Amino acid sequence: DAGVIQSPRHEVTEMGQEVTLRCKPISGHNSLFWYRQTMMRGLELLIYFNNNVPIDDSGMPEDRFSAKMPNASFSTLKIQPSEPRDSAVYFCASSFWSGSTDTQYFGPGTRLTVL
Amino acid sequence: EDKVVQSPLSLVVHEGDTVTLNCSYEVTNFRSLLWYKQEKKAPTFLFMLTSSGIEKKSGRLSSILDKKELFSILNITATQTGDSAVYLCAVESRDDKIIFGKGTRLHILP
Repeated sequence: DAGVIQSPRHEVTEMGQEVTLRCKPISGHNSLFWYRQTMMRGLELLIYFNNNVPIDDSGMPEDRFSAKMPNASFSTLKIQPSEPRDSAVYFCASSFWSGSTDTQYFGPGTRLTVL
Repeated sequence: EDKVVQSPLSLVVHEGDTVTLNCSYEVTNFRSLLWYKQEKKAPTFLFMLTSSGIEKKSGRLSSILDKKELFSILNITATQTGDSAVYLCAVESRDDKIIFGKGTRLHILP
């Protein structure tokens, strides 16, 4: 079991650049979540997908953020253009939705620094 | 390799029982340990522990950290059906890594 895989693990970029974070969920899971963790706000849910369809993106901070899930084994979170306040650790988690509370398995996170 | 291990993976108890959830860790340059409760989609923050032996309490929930033995426990007394959830433990390191455990699924029977 490889677990949830995220890449890159760390990214440092300059303000205004496009950032793309990638996630490979656990095989067989049908739900995928993107979170952002900061000291100020803690862990925030940005968006989640069920069967590759975005269900709730109300946590996405603004139009600069977008997420896609083109197939069951891959998702991206894109920030364009990036700003220093986007600096955070971005987690991807996946789960198997069975009709009740589903255990989410978290990836190692991507630490993003925007200068 | 850094890791966080939670036990048990799943627990079913009757309302009114007391439960103890365990979290052990092997993390280089430990900074803090966090407990979350996950009911619907996003986990909600419960406790942050940084010092050994100091119990943190919030109502019927309490938690304590042992930095010598590298573990933490989360206690819930007089459990209620609303306590049914997945409880996540995460450890932060001084080089800003955060490692999550796989969670303990708690189910409280009425």
